[in-house]
Amino acid sequence: ELKVEQNPLFLSMQEGKNYTIYCNYSTTSDRLYWYRQDPGKSLESLFVLLSNGAVKQEGRLMASLDTKARLSTLHITAAVHDLSATYFCAVRDSGGGADGLTFGKGTHLIIQP
Amino acid sequence: DTEVTQTPKHLVMGMTNKKSLKCEQHMGHRAMYWYKQKAKKPPELMFVYSYEKLSINESVPSRFSPECPNSSLLNLHLHALQPEDSALYLCASSRAGGNTGELFFGEGSRLTVL
Repeated sequence: ELKVEQNPLFLSMQEGKNYTIYCNYSTTSDRLYWYRQDPGKSLESLFVLLSNGAVKQEGRLMASLDTKARLSTLHITAAVHDLSATYFCAVRDSGGGADGLTFGKGTHLIIQP
Repeated sequence: DTEVTQTPKHLVMGMTNKKSLKCEQHMGHRAMYWYKQKAKKPPELMFVYSYEKLSINESVPSRFSPECPNSSLLNLHLHALQPEDSALYLCASSRAGGNTGELFFGEGSRLTVL
């Protein structure tokens, strides 16, 4: 059974600070996804990481993937209040196809002014 | 058009009612999904359709009945639900096979069972 573990599950931080969210998974997948969810809303795709060593950046967020360690990180640089949301990582446990994604429990991020 | 459209956005039903949730996409995706999300929990996969055929059923109770009438539409028929079935139901779509595998989600249908 594929397991996806995120930590921390809750994070409160001040604006301007840096922090990293970690995502570990139990299978040999090389496909990892990060989504953002605002309260009461749907999931917004942030990053798609498709190979070992992949690094993607968008604004103050940067995601990376180490398939050997089965670890992905989401790094937040100089956090701003607008980044407050729940962040999920998700893994697909086969080489493409329509197998669905398995999600981590999510990291509830609060950024205080 | 990069949208997945779900209707209704909100639904309240009694335990004896029959209702349906609908999902539509026009991105040419051949894989469509139903997920269930309870408050403060991650989405949980319910069903996967690939090329209009049910490919994954994650041991979902029979009171939930999926249907994929064509490549753009996905329905979830609801009958004799329980209050614990109250949740946000998310539809998603993706290209099937040999691609990024990225799922695009709709806004969800928030279901309350009384």
